[in-house]
Amino acid sequence: ETGVTQSPTHLIKTRGQQVTLRCSSQSGHNTVSWYQQALGQGPQFIFQYYREEENGRGNFPPRFSGLQFPNYSSELNVNALELDDSALYLCASSLGGRDGSPLHFGNGTRLTVT
Amino acid sequence: QKEVEQNSGPLSVPEGAIASLNCTYSDRVSQSFFWYRQYSGKSPELIMSIYSNGDKEDGRFTAQLNKASQYVSLLIRDSQPSDSATYLCAVNVKGQGAQKLVFGQGTRLTINP
Repeated sequence: ETGVTQSPTHLIKTRGQQVTLRCSSQSGHNTVSWYQQALGQGPQFIFQYYREEENGRGNFPPRFSGLQFPNYSSELNVNALELDDSALYLCASSLGGRDGSPLHFGNGTRLTVT
Repeated sequence: QKEVEQNSGPLSVPEGAIASLNCTYSDRVSQSFFWYRQYSGKSPELIMSIYSNGDKEDGRFTAQLNKASQYVSLLIRDSQPSDSATYLCAVNVKGQGAQKLVFGQGTRLTINP
């Protein structure tokens, strides 16, 4: 059984640029959640996708957007990058409808904005 | 008040002793609680989940839940240097979506040989 995979592992961007991060969900999982983890903090919920529709959103501005594809893989897009966007971005997949099921994270993408 | 609160530490424990990590949460209707371990530069790894009041044991780890007090804890027995990591408490918060976890800021644990 393949776990959650994320790409790229590391990324350096300049303020004002745009970035796309990718996530392949675990086999059989139809829900993908994205989290941002700043240094020294716990992960913060960005949004969740269930069967290609956004299914919940945290306190992040609209320049954070996403997509989920028919194979349940997902993208996180961030426009107009700011220095504070530097963080570890985590993707987790789960089986939607099973409230309380644990989340298993991918290895993350470390984004540095200069 | 933060939704999930943890003592950020650092918590220093001698090898072989019991490490005790604590977490409080504010949402009274939460039903699912998790502990994650995160090594420096790595992603969080699920080590325990607990859904009912009381204790749940898995090897050297014991999770304790008291919903009336809105309190979750993690005990690590016979602590090993490899247990040195940041431990994140996570609570499932009801709302939109099938699963939204709210995390504490984490407790940094150091096991001293």
